[in-house]
Amino acid sequence: GENVEQHPSTLSVQEGDSAVIKCTYSDSASNYFPWYKQELGKRPQLIIDIRSNVGEKKDQRIAVTLNKTAKHFSLHITETQPEDSAVYFCAANPLDSSYKLIFGSGTRLLVRP
Amino acid sequence: GAGVSQSPSNKVTEKGKDVELRCDPISGHTALYWYRQRLGQGLEFLIYFQGNSAPDKSGLPSDRFSAERTGESVSTLTIQRTQQEDSAVYLCASSRQTSRSSYEQYFGPGTRLTVT
Repeated sequence: GENVEQHPSTLSVQEGDSAVIKCTYSDSASNYFPWYKQELGKRPQLIIDIRSNVGEKKDQRIAVTLNKTAKHFSLHITETQPEDSAVYFCAANPLDSSYKLIFGSGTRLLVRP
Repeated sequence: GAGVSQSPSNKVTEKGKDVELRCDPISGHTALYWYRQRLGQGLEFLIYFQGNSAPDKSGLPSDRFSAERTGESVSTLTIQRTQQEDSAVYLCASSRQTSRSSYEQYFGPGTRLTVT
């Protein structure tokens, strides 16, 4: 089955700097890759996603890139702000009959003011 | 509109007891998912329901875990003979799966289960 690995587990950046979180997946048939943000004590929320037919997607300060050949995808946050501090999860949807998501282990991002 | 709701928000139970966790998905969402999140860890897929199709139970960790869903509404996750390692937050999510273009999962607030 699908396996998703995420790095780093923790990331500390200065406000205004960029942050990059990377994930790799094992199932080459996976076709959908979302990123969820979970603030302390709150539920995960989708922040951006990408499908396997594109290589990059951007939404304001957030971008996701996908390399299908290497089976990895990355989240890029530019001009980080303290409110970006949270745990970020990547996920992959294996192309089977199910729409389930397999999540990475999460990255705790701390943006220092 | 109303989001995904879960009850109870917190549950403390003694080892060996059975527990039932409830999830109310967003109205009109045909797909429903259960995940487990241990403290400081990621989301572990448990089970997925899609309409009247047979559920995907591939993530259930043992036969002590089971889940049911009535049509496209409420779901209950049951854990029998609870163990301390079952302590976690159990998250439910739903999505509108009308096609492969509708993936976004909306999460509930979770039920924090503590087994003493």
